[in-house]
Amino acid sequence: IAGITQAPTSQILAAGRRMTLRCTQDMRHNAMYWYRQDLGLGLRLIHYSNTAGTTGKGEVPDGYSVSRANTDDFPLTLASAVPSQTSVYFCASSERAGGYYNEQFFGPGTRLTVL
Amino acid sequence: SQQGEEDPQALSIQEGENATMNCSYKTSINNLQWYRQNSGRGLVHLILIRSNEREKHSGRLRVTLDTSKKSSSLLITASRAADTASYFCATDAARGSTLGRLYFGRGTQLTVWP
Repeated sequence: IAGITQAPTSQILAAGRRMTLRCTQDMRHNAMYWYRQDLGLGLRLIHYSNTAGTTGKGEVPDGYSVSRANTDDFPLTLASAVPSQTSVYFCASSERAGGYYNEQFFGPGTRLTVL
Repeated sequence: SQQGEEDPQALSIQEGENATMNCSYKTSINNLQWYRQNSGRGLVHLILIRSNEREKHSGRLRVTLDTSKKSSSLLITASRAADTASYFCATDAARGSTLGRLYFGRGTQLTVWP
């Protein structure tokens, strides 16, 4: 069982380019999340999806888009990358049970540098 | 914002000592969670405590929750060098459309010296 995987592991990208970060989970969790982690700022939620077919905006959604066509995949797209999007990106998933969401399981992260 | 805030920002101790980290938050919650992150890695869930619980144990970890003070503490007993990591608290929303979203603090960097 792989859990939650992300690709690529790292990427250097020219400003203005389009980039999709991939995230796949095999735990059949209904909720998935994208965070960015910057030094001194902790983790900030970019977008989330509580179930396949629905998405929502987090704290810092500008410049990013997501889709949730099925339960397992939750790609994050940067339409036109800017240097301020240089960060480490984490995907996570969780399961809803008894009306509550439980712990989140995190992927290994994607380190993105925009030049 | 409902963001949890950890205190202290950094903690340095010797092996065998206990490490205590605190977390404060602002609004009502369903649960509070603690996560650990080793350098360059993803976060790993440690323990979840629900709003109707006051204390929870898991191995060398002890978490307390005081909803009246909107605070929690994480105690690691008999610390080891391998406990060196960043520790984050995360809170969820008690109601509304944001159910399931977690709000993370900036973390406490724990260093345990051999």
